[in-house]
Amino acid sequence: QSALTQPRSVSGSPGQSVTISCTGTSNDVGNYNYVSWYQHHPGKAPKLLIYDVNKRPSGVPYRFSGSKSGNTASLTISGLQAEDEADYYCCSAADTYTYVFGTETKVTVL
Amino acid sequence: DVQLVESGGGLVQPGGSLRLSCTASGFIFSDYYMDWVRQAPGKGLEWVGRSRIMLDSYMTDYAASVKGRFTISRDDSKNSLYLQMNSLKTEDMAVYYCVREFYFHFDHWGQGTPVTVSS
Repeated sequence: QSALTQPRSVSGSPGQSVTISCTGTSNDVGNYNYVSWYQHHPGKAPKLLIYDVNKRPSGVPYRFSGSKSGNTASLTISGLQAEDEADYYCCSAADTYTYVFGTETKVTVL
Repeated sequence: DVQLVESGGGLVQPGGSLRLSCTASGFIFSDYYMDWVRQAPGKGLEWVGRSRIMLDSYMTDYAASVKGRFTISRDDSKNSLYLQMNSLKTEDMAVYYCVREFYFHFDHWGQGTPVTVSS
């Protein structure tokens, strides 16, 4: 099972919007509405941001949103803030009862 | 509060074995699938495997990269999850996270325990 493809890095100024793509196949992203997104500050535990493509857990700011079209899912951060600088991963359920993560995107707030 | 605390990480030689433990608190452990996720140095997250609940006969699922070498088990009476790692390779060197799975996503993560595979 190959990792989902994410851009290595994205950047934006405070207040801007950035979008991270997550491209898989018909065996994972394209076949399941079980895409989730995680924020990871190095040295800390990863944090769930989005699940089931576009649902936000309680406590996650509204500026984080998710979507999916075909084999590609996306995470958008609207109104970028300094504390959003972190590593981001998508994850999808995949065939044969497994999961596959994306390749990591570093978000830099300029 | 949900807490997941991993232990058992350390230095092991290639070909060796190591057993990681995860102690859970703050929720009914027996009601949840539990997973292991790892992050190798300079790399992204990688799903390792999962333990299902008693209702699903405690079935386990594994990533292809560890299948046949790693075994996940749990002891609901001790609120604990385990990862037995055998025939370790240098590419298994990583921080290993204990993770609670909830309907196809991972809602709580431990702080991780590092595993170093080196001679």
